[in-house]
Amino acid sequence: EAGVAQSPRYKIIEKRQSVAFWCNPISGHATLYWYQQILGQGPKLLIQFQNNGVVDDSQLPKDRFSAERLKGVDSTLKIQPAKLEDSAVYLCASSFQGVDGYTFGSGTRLTVV
Amino acid sequence: KQEVTQIPAALSVPEGENLVLNCSFTDSAIYNLQWFRQDPGKGLTSLLLIQSSQREQTSGRLNASLDKSSGRSTLYIAASQPGDSATYLCAVSVNKPGGSYIPTFGRGTSLIVHP
Repeated sequence: EAGVAQSPRYKIIEKRQSVAFWCNPISGHATLYWYQQILGQGPKLLIQFQNNGVVDDSQLPKDRFSAERLKGVDSTLKIQPAKLEDSAVYLCASSFQGVDGYTFGSGTRLTVV
Repeated sequence: KQEVTQIPAALSVPEGENLVLNCSFTDSAIYNLQWFRQDPGKGLTSLLLIQSSQREQTSGRLNASLDKSSGRSTLYIAASQPGDSATYLCAVSVNKPGGSYIPTFGRGTSLIVHP
């Protein structure tokens, strides 16, 4: 079974630039999550999708972050404009209704300079 | 709101020791609990998943227990090896209205096993 795919693996941008991350979940997993993990901390949920609908985006900084899930499969997370404090690893995870736990991708390490 | 705490924050031990990592959570109405391993600069690798109806799960040298009533889980690592060096994260899932499940993470325990 193929895992959760994320790209790019690394990204370095200047503050105020924009950036986008891509995630392809495990086939058949209806639920998709984006997490932000700042160095030394646990992952923090940004947004949860169920198929192509948003279930929870209460911790998403909506003035600069946006996310979509096209046709209930792939998802993109965008930051515009980026700030220095956005430097973190962005993790994507998927699940089959939570029953079998959660599978994470390798993450995208973002550095904002 | 679910709060997850992991103790200790960091641990350094000699090879061969048996280890206990702790995870506590504030809301005992959980759906499941999952332990992950994270190597530096990498994503999360699932180690063990315990459903709310289960008391423990085992995989090789790893054993995870769950006590919902006290809001605690422990990850036991037997005969630790240098290759076990990583950060160990605990994620607790609750069932939200509408049938969705959201895992909440602790900050992790950073483990170093030296030869």
